[in-house]
Amino acid sequence: EIVLTQSPDTLSLSPGERAILSCRASQSVSSYLAWYQQKPGQAPRLLIYDASNRATGIPARFSGSGSGTDFTLTISSLEPEDFAVYYCHQRSNGLTFGGGTKVEIK
Amino acid sequence: EVQLVESGGGLVQPGGSLRLSCAASGFTFSSYEMNWVRQAPGKGPEWVSYIGRSGSTISYADSVKGRFTISRDNTKNSLYLQMNSLRAEDTAVYYCARDLVPAASFVGWFDPWGQGTLVTVSS
Repeated sequence: EIVLTQSPDTLSLSPGERAILSCRASQSVSSYLAWYQQKPGQAPRLLIYDASNRATGIPARFSGSGSGTDFTLTISSLEPEDFAVYYCHQRSNGLTFGGGTKVEIK
Repeated sequence: EVQLVESGGGLVQPGGSLRLSCAASGFTFSSYEMNWVRQAPGKGPEWVSYIGRSGSTISYADSVKGRFTISRDNTKNSLYLQMNSLRAEDTAVYYCARDLVPAASFVGWFDPWGQGTLVTVSS
């Protein structure tokens, strides 16, 4: 099973700041990686798929990069609605999710 | 508007059974592969099962294989999950989730998700 390790566990930032979230795979997943956002009491929402493609309706401040084992989700300038938990997800070999990074207001 | 609405969750004793349903609307249900994904309290999501558009292709996570059965009824725009021999570790919010791309083989990106239904396995 491919293990996805996300870092940091928690990111404390202020609105307007840049957020950089990391996801590392235990073996190569090529570009088969997605990112989801989850707010309290809500279902996850797809943000990025195939490492760098934004899903429909996702603002341009969200971007994804990486391939192989190291991936990054960048939020260029945090809006109040962006404070949430973010999960990475791979579909290269089976389907697994990371443990999440919480982006909280500093 | 695309909507997925789950129902059927609740409290069940270890060894018991539950049947979850997911009602789909706002899109051509028969054109999409569908999935069940669960999330235990405070944990990341875990994929549970997948079913192809016609229902003839099915896959399960090892953790539920032999105990859970996925099915669909395209005439009713509905997805189901029959859960038997439930264990404490099956406690989670269960989401139905649509595959991202229509009329294609399993892609494995989930969009959108329903609001979820809580399953609690406890004596």
